[in-house]
Amino acid sequence: DQQVKQNSPSLSVQEGRISILNCDYTNSMFDYFLWYKKYPAEGPTFLISISSIKDKNEDGRFTVFLNKSAKHLSLHIVPSQPGDSAVYFCAASKIGNNDMRFGAGTRLTVKP
Amino acid sequence: EAQVTQNPRYLITVTGKKLTVTCSQNMNHEYMSWYRQDPGLGLRQIYYSMNVEVTDKGDVPEGYKVSRKEKRNFPLILESPSPNQTSLYFCASSLAGAGIPNTEAFFGQGTRLTVV
Repeated sequence: DQQVKQNSPSLSVQEGRISILNCDYTNSMFDYFLWYKKYPAEGPTFLISISSIKDKNEDGRFTVFLNKSAKHLSLHIVPSQPGDSAVYFCAASKIGNNDMRFGAGTRLTVKP
Repeated sequence: EAQVTQNPRYLITVTGKKLTVTCSQNMNHEYMSWYRQDPGLGLRQIYYSMNVEVTDKGDVPEGYKVSRKEKRNFPLILESPSPNQTSLYFCASSLAGAGIPNTEAFFGQGTRLTVV
């Protein structure tokens, strides 16, 4: 039972353009959402997060949008750079809880 | 340097031979977790621990054991490994549970386990 879904296994964009990675969740109890980035042969590293009291959080080139009614969040990367090429995991949890649920990941390739 | 260290990085073993994957963190974090990553399934939590001597089951605990006798260490034990436990394993630690800024989880580099 995957409570967090990333339906696009891969995404390819041109350098300088916008990358949009999508994530859907089914459990309405989730109130905290995170994106992690993973390079080959490394562990995931935290990228950006958002709590359910917000609908947008921005950190430099990275912005996460949350649509609670649709149970959908997205990660926007603008402008995309070749170094952004990695697997991106969406994760969801309840605030204060350590039980994080992850999506299957989306492999982003940014072409020079 | 703040880090989560897992050992070994790679392991090939035979069905039924008990093994332990170690995990150690140097950040004095309360929370530690184990995940496995499988194609198409992402990261699934195996066990987590909120403090010394406090552990709980995650999503996929069957076939695994953990212990938390010291704050810094959280070993993953496979008493009788089977081929369906072939996977990439990650240990993670965090200062607190989800939702508190600047306490997000740090992950180790992973342990690739193959059970034949």
